[in-house]
Amino acid sequence: ILNVEQSPQSLHVQEGDSTNFTCSFPSSNFYALHWYRWETAKSPEALFVMTLNGDEKKKGRISATLNTKEGYSYLYIKGSQPEDSATYLCAGGNDMRFGAGTRLTVKP
Amino acid sequence: GAGVSQSPSNKVTEKGKDVELRCDPISGHTALYWYRQSLGQGLEFLIYFQGNSAPDKSGLPSDRFSAERTGGSVSTLTIQRTQQEDSAVYLCASSLDLLFMGDTQYFGPGTRLTVL
Repeated sequence: ILNVEQSPQSLHVQEGDSTNFTCSFPSSNFYALHWYRWETAKSPEALFVMTLNGDEKKKGRISATLNTKEGYSYLYIKGSQPEDSATYLCAGGNDMRFGAGTRLTVKP
Repeated sequence: GAGVSQSPSNKVTEKGKDVELRCDPISGHTALYWYRQSLGQGLEFLIYFQGNSAPDKSGLPSDRFSAERTGGSVSTLTIQRTQQEDSAVYLCASSLDLLFMGDTQYFGPGTRLTVL
């Protein structure tokens, strides 16, 4: 993997559903993986910074895991709420390349 | 405390004109980054500054783009002879140190540039 890739590109879920999405990144020369949440008309907001293989971080209903050997990170949202609707970005590699994001829409 | 600020918030210009976008990072942050998001695209890295080191300009799309950071603080992104494809939201971010070492990045509100 040469670039940071995110999937799916977009996701529509119902309020209360749990969901997850993926960030794939170059596993060689890994330093850190960042997750951001970007709401429309606002600035991206940092969610997690992960540096160690096997790292798991949690903030409220949102959590993330990291596998540096295979080059992926998962972001999980438990019991999605409409206010979780946003684009979720990841960035990694030693040049902090961003993925294209996963646009999450949570329907009430 | 004050976050990252950017000015102007919106800029409309005519094709061929030069524009300057300004970024004030969080005080004490040594690293400063410029990104842009074109319509329907992801966040594209443009340039970053780290302390007194030479900036990493590898993301600048053409030689019409340049940036400087004076005194290790305020940064200006200049686009010369603007083209319609330069229309985008330009975001600035700063971090205490280097992102790839695990530091957190804080973004400004962005400048929306429209080239007519």
